Amino acid sequence: GAVVSQHPSRVICKSGTSVKIECRSLDFQATTMFWYRQFPKQSLMLMATSNEGSKATYEQGVEKDKFLINHASLTLSTLTVTSAHPEDSSFYICSAPVNYGYTFGSGTRLTVV
Amino acid sequence: DQQVKQNSPSLSVQEGRISILNCDYTNSMFDYFLWYKKYPAEGPTFLISISSIKDKNEDGRFTVFLNKSAKHLSLHIVPSQPGDSAVYFCAASAGKTSYDKVIFGPGTSLSVIP
Repeated sequence: GAVVSQHPSRVICKSGTSVKIECRSLDFQATTMFWYRQFPKQSLMLMATSNEGSKATYEQGVEKDKFLINHASLTLSTLTVTSAHPEDSSFYICSAPVNYGYTFGSGTRLTVV
Repeated sequence: DQQVKQNSPSLSVQEGRISILNCDYTNSMFDYFLWYKKYPAEGPTFLISISSIKDKNEDGRFTVFLNKSAKHLSLHIVPSQPGDSAVYFCAASAGKTSYDKVIFGPGTSLSVIP
């Protein structure tokens, strides 16, 4: 089946630094990638939708300048958390549409200290 | 406002019995529904989906029922196995194209007791 590889799986960074999360579609072309964030015991919240070759669409309340999304190719989408703060600590997951629905990356646990 | 609701945060079921996970939605534009299973620190894995033109879809031990008039769907797992213990997310979208956003419910944590 269609696989999205997400890296890193875990990252700890200092407050004020930036972290880049990558999602690669391994055996298919992902023209669209959804980026989600999950808080403990809460649902996956859609942050933004990236489309290859165009600007990402952000959901209401998500800071575009803080969560930079790039979708430069059909197999790679990245999310960069800029100037990270402890409140950005969360579980971030990417997802791409496939023929049966959607496939997900394995997620990235970000901890900002 | 939560468009997809799973009112039971947790559920415990004896091994071999039926697990029934419920989901309600408010947006009448939703016409494609999915169930995902998620283990801790992993991404959700797709289980089963149903289009609004159907009221039932079955795949092995998993069956999803859709009641459009009630805006309600349920996932039945029969027989339940300890390996089914996970968080189950109900999700909905207004279509099944590359541009459709999926809205997730808050999830139900299922524990299957051996």
